[in-house]
Amino acid sequence: SQELEQSPQSLIVQEGKNLTINCTSSKTLYGLYWYKQKYGEGLIFLMMLQKGGEEKSHEKITAKLDEKKQQSSLHITASQPSHAGIYLCGADKGLVGGGTSYGKLTFGQGTILTVHP
Amino acid sequence: DTGVSQDPRHKITKRGQNVTFRCDPISEHNRLYWYRQTLGQGPEFLTYFQNEAQLEKSRLLSDRFSAERPKGSFSTLEIQRTEQGDSAMYLCASSLRSTEAFFGQGTRLTVV
Repeated sequence: SQELEQSPQSLIVQEGKNLTINCTSSKTLYGLYWYKQKYGEGLIFLMMLQKGGEEKSHEKITAKLDEKKQQSSLHITASQPSHAGIYLCGADKGLVGGGTSYGKLTFGQGTILTVHP
Repeated sequence: DTGVSQDPRHKITKRGQNVTFRCDPISEHNRLYWYRQTLGQGPEFLTYFQNEAQLEKSRLLSDRFSAERPKGSFSTLEIQRTEQGDSAMYLCASSLRSTEAFFGQGTRLTVV
């Protein structure tokens, strides 16, 4: 089965600093999602990547999928306290082998981000 | 429609009792998913529906768990004879056939 390993497990930064969270898969990624979760709440969709070398940005957050499609990174520029939360990467199991079933995800364990003002 | 809605948000129950959770997906979404999340872990896939048909169930879904989506709209997840190990956040998500999944706020279950 596919496993996702996120690093670091937790991260504390000062407001204004840049940071990167990594997500490494044991198998090829056919669809890689990034979600953000506030403690005790649901998941907020950030971005989805499918193609090797793909890069997407939203506001100050950029996500990349490497060419081999086994590693993704999430980069936050000039972090703010509003960026604090748990960041989760998820691999879409339904897209393996040409499938089209979006939404059956295997998640990493999450990275807890704290941003100090 | 403002998103996926789950009810209740919190549930405390005694061991051995049955509980039922409800999920209302985004109205035009035909796919609905249930996940379970324990503290410090990412969500784990439990089951999913396409319209009213339950197409896949994880091995995590023991025979005490049952999920339904009778008319292809809202879904319920029932846990019978709850155990302390069932304490977790239960998350529902919905999607169209070819779009990302949107998650609800979750139902936090505490079994005492």
